[in-house]
Amino acid sequence: EVQLVESGGGLVQRGGSLRLSCAASGFTFSNFAMSWVRQAPGKGLEWVSAISVGGGNTYYADSVKGRFTISRDNSKNTLYLQMNSLRAEDTAVYYCAKLVVGATYVDYWGQGTLVTVSS
Amino acid sequence: QLVLTQSPSASASLGASVKLTCTLSSGHSSYAIAWHHQQPEKGPRYLMKVNSDGSHTKGDGIPDRFSGSSSGAERYLIISSLQSEDEADYYCQTWGTGIQVFGGGTKLTVL
Repeated sequence: EVQLVESGGGLVQRGGSLRLSCAASGFTFSNFAMSWVRQAPGKGLEWVSAISVGGGNTYYADSVKGRFTISRDNSKNTLYLQMNSLRAEDTAVYYCAKLVVGATYVDYWGQGTLVTVSS
Repeated sequence: QLVLTQSPSASASLGASVKLTCTLSSGHSSYAIAWHHQQPEKGPRYLMKVNSDGSHTKGDGIPDRFSGSSSGAERYLIISSLQSEDEADYYCQTWGTGIQVFGGGTKLTVL
């Protein structure tokens, strides 16, 4: 059974930093691209970032480019999102997502971790 | 620009059928999309991928009541024999080179 378990969310001040982790199990992590998607309170889903199977290619939404860094450790089956220079508008539930082979749509989601940026 | 458009809300009666629409922006009518739903207070769940020819690939454990189809730039999610647990937000997703795009979502109310 595919499982994606996020951690690292919490309350942080504006301008601060936070590192999210996503522990993956139930599939061969190193064979799949991964993504982070967020959802602000009462709003829809917003793609944040994606990373290729080996980590050599990374992609970001314009809203986070230059502030967030996605990475992965295939030896630990873990996905990361380093978030710097946090803004109030980054407040959201952040979901870890597994992408389908050969495409970039999500076929499995984590349960999410809440990040709250206070001003 | 790659954009997905969804109606903000839809409603249908218990036991009836409903057809939700996701429209691809101009120039992108050949793109496939994926449908996800999100029940209240829960994380999203993948439902299916719908190709431009209307063929679809469902996720693990998705009931036969859920199906997909296509027409031009429109991609559809059809839910038959509506149940109370189908009341949820429904999102479509597509992708381009290095990007993913979500529609704004449709809130489905089961009457």
